[in-house]
Amino acid sequence: SQELEQSPQSLIVQEGKNLTINCTSSKTLYGLYWYKQKYGEGLIFLMMLQKGGEEKSHEKITAKLDEKKQQSSLHITASQPSHAGIYLCGADKTGANNLFFGTGTRLTVIP
Amino acid sequence: DVKVTQSSRYLVKRTGEKVFLECVQDMDHENMFWYRQDPGLGLRLIYFSYDVKMKEKGDIPEGYSVSREKKERFSLILESASTNQTSMYLCASSLKTGVPLHFGNGTRLTVT
Repeated sequence: SQELEQSPQSLIVQEGKNLTINCTSSKTLYGLYWYKQKYGEGLIFLMMLQKGGEEKSHEKITAKLDEKKQQSSLHITASQPSHAGIYLCGADKTGANNLFFGTGTRLTVIP
Repeated sequence: DVKVTQSSRYLVKRTGEKVFLECVQDMDHENMFWYRQDPGLGLRLIYFSYDVKMKEKGDIPEGYSVSREKKERFSLILESASTNQTSMYLCASSLKTGVPLHFGNGTRLTVT
């Protein structure tokens, strides 16, 4: 069974719209990591969240980790075509820095 | 910027062949990783290495081996390729943490 659930699996938005991607675990996590993958390429590390309630931003992307450290959301404001790709969350559930990943959310931004 | 380079973007091999996937990083990172990525299954860790000649099994090491003779190079070896090893293979590195931070562009391997 999948231990990290990402939703939605895919998302199509008009350029300029805001959007949110969720990553949920049934267990408390030690750390939550967000990556972006352009189609057919490697992953780009975006952000790391480790404390309950933590929020970080990078340009127009904001990620939050809930107080229980079981759910994270990634929010993109005023989406652009350059935001298109696959967003993956990775989680460290043991504290040993051994990540496991969600299956990703495929984002398409229509100009 | 850190550069992680995988030697091939696309590779086609026959069942039973021995396959080498090469990965080189240019930032003197201790940790290197090999993942495979499959639709619906996400990324799964095959092996990682935290130093030269050191290796640890990941979640799916069966059918694979690795070699790290030099700090900058981490090789993934498929001893006898099988069709269920058709996949996208991603190499990654990081300085100290066990979290992969820098990825290569991947090798899409097809075993026929």
